[in-house]
Amino acid sequence: QKEVEQDPGPLSVPEGAIVSLNCTYSNSAFQYFMWYRQYSRKGPELLMYTYSSGNKEDGRFTAQVDKSSKYISLFIRDSQPSDSATYLCAPCGDSWGKLQFGAGTQVVVTP
Amino acid sequence: DTEVTQTPKHLVMGMTNKKSLKCEQHMGHRAMYWYKQKAKKPPELMFVYSYEKLSINESVPSRFSPECPNSSLLNLHLHALQPEDSALYLCASSLAGGSTDTQYFGPGTRLTVL
Repeated sequence: QKEVEQDPGPLSVPEGAIVSLNCTYSNSAFQYFMWYRQYSRKGPELLMYTYSSGNKEDGRFTAQVDKSSKYISLFIRDSQPSDSATYLCAPCGDSWGKLQFGAGTQVVVTP
Repeated sequence: DTEVTQTPKHLVMGMTNKKSLKCEQHMGHRAMYWYKQKAKKPPELMFVYSYEKLSINESVPSRFSPECPNSSLLNLHLHALQPEDSALYLCASSLAGGSTDTQYFGPGTRLTVL
């Protein structure tokens, strides 16, 4: 079993819809939960970062962590074609900042 | 300046060649990383340097040899690679390598081994 499970998609939504992405993980030691966005032929860029359980909102993006069920979510409201990218969840739990990337979900927002 | 630069952007090499990938950052970060990313897969950690010392080597074959000449530069020396080593090689840096430090990624070098 992989430490982090993420549906690779693709997930296709019309412009303006809510995009819902999620990951599950098995390692209870994970304390920090990142979401990275990667455009085609680019390096990943950090979108959201959450510590422990709870919600965090940043503009159109909301990250949720439920440590009791080991479930991580990212919601994108009012999706735009420019949100078309691969979204990678990346929990982290050790002192070296080693990220455990999920497989990444490809999102396509159609105009 | 939150930029990590990588050169070259593309590299094609034969199995007997020796080449190097270069990564540079001027954010004052003291941790630098090499990742390998195959198509439609997530990045896989290869090496971590912290304060110019190798702190993590994820059991990477010796045909990949990292080097950190100073706090701003990270190299990856390549020798006798195999076709299955073809991938996007990403460099990243963070403030000090801790769990809460954001890793900033470069655009990557797309490597093809013939």
